Amino acid sequence: GQNIDQPTEMTATEGAIVQINCTYQTSGFNGLFWYQQHAGEAPTFLSYNVLDGLEEKGRFSSFLSRSKGYSYLLLKELQMKDSASYLCAAMDSNYQLIWGAGTKLIIKP
Amino acid sequence: GAGVSQSPRYKVTKRGQDVALRCDPISGHVSLYWYRQALGQGPEFLTYFNYEAQQDKSGLPNDRFSAERPEGSISTLTIQRTEQRDSAMYRCASSLIWTGGELAKNIQYFGAGTRLSVL
Repeated sequence: GQNIDQPTEMTATEGAIVQINCTYQTSGFNGLFWYQQHAGEAPTFLSYNVLDGLEEKGRFSSFLSRSKGYSYLLLKELQMKDSASYLCAAMDSNYQLIWGAGTKLIIKP
Repeated sequence: GAGVSQSPRYKVTKRGQDVALRCDPISGHVSLYWYRQALGQGPEFLTYFNYEAQQDKSGLPNDRFSAERPEGSISTLTIQRTEQRDSAMYRCASSLIWTGGELAKNIQYFGAGTRLSVL
């Protein structure tokens, strides 16, 4: 079957760095996506990876290892506004997104 | 439009009534997706369209659920004879294309959703 695993909840301190891990099993693979979702709002696109390695976008970076079925989202210089759920989604051979349940990130001052 | 628009934002209905949820995708986007999202969970796939063709409806829970996109733009998700278990957030997303090519064109953009409550 197809499956995405990510931690349910994480806590970090303002100004620090946090890494949110995601492992996936899909029928075929066409990319790994990260979305941010604030409480009561729609998911918004953050980043994607299709090749192995690190993609950096400002304070956010995303890493992919296709051989290990593993990705992580790295958030630097955490701000209170980063408190949200972070959704990992893998695109399968039919170009459908298989979604994880999301990781709720709590930022403490 | 500038973004994906969904209406109504909130819908309260009585058990047994039919409801129609509307989605207006980003102008020019080929693909349109319907999801259902429970609190604290990721989106659950329901169905999707490329242009006006429904490509996959395997996620629709039962035959009370149907969707259409007759002119390849606005889509309607209809739930007949609603039940309390249908209460959820229903989200629509659209993307520029649906397959291959530049991955950036596969990015799905979500609407604000319709919160359905069945009493």
